[in-house]
Amino acid sequence: GAVVSQHPSRVICKSGTSVKIECRSLDFQATTMFWYRQFPKQSLMLMATSNEGSKATYEQGVEKDKFLINHASLTLSTLTVTSAHPEDSSFYICSARGDLGEQYFGPGTRLTVT
Amino acid sequence: AQSVTQLDSHVSVSEGTPVLLRCNYSSSYSPSLFWYVQHPNKGLQLLLKYTSAATLVKGINGFEAEFKKSETSFHLTKPSAHMSDAAEYFCVVGRPYTGTASKLTFGTGTRLQVTL
Repeated sequence: GAVVSQHPSRVICKSGTSVKIECRSLDFQATTMFWYRQFPKQSLMLMATSNEGSKATYEQGVEKDKFLINHASLTLSTLTVTSAHPEDSSFYICSARGDLGEQYFGPGTRLTVT
Repeated sequence: AQSVTQLDSHVSVSEGTPVLLRCNYSSSYSPSLFWYVQHPNKGLQLLLKYTSAATLVKGINGFEAEFKKSETSFHLTKPSAHMSDAAEYFCVVGRPYTGTASKLTFGTGTRLQVTL
């Protein structure tokens, strides 16, 4: 099956700093990628849809200036958490969409803001 | 509009016994349906998908699911549970690819516990 990677897998940063998370589709091209956030013992919450070469579409309630998304190529999307605060600590998961609407998920990035 | 309901937040079975994880969906169009599994602190792995072909879908690791339109259900089953099946399972509904981005809607998850 299709493989999606994320880097880093785990990051700890200080409050007020910015963190970039990369999402790569390794063996296929993805015109659309998605970013999710998952709180402990909860389901995934879609944050934004990332389309290659265009601006991301954010879900209601997600601050686009805080969560910057860039999808510069067909295999790479990045999520930058700007001026991170402890409440931004979470598990961030990206996915890349396949031809039939299915999504292939990355392994996730655990962000801890101290 | 689309939604999905996982009827059990927690299911416990003994190793070697059948597994049944229930899922009902609601959709204003012919949906695509998926089951994903998530092991602790891991990303999601696609178990199987239904995309309007055969109603009985076979997935990885011995899992299968049957799409029943009359009951708006897509229950996940496995004949014999293994300890390694213990994980969180998500039933997911999506819109078949129409040339625009299609969002997935996740159920709240069912935690499967497998005991000796």
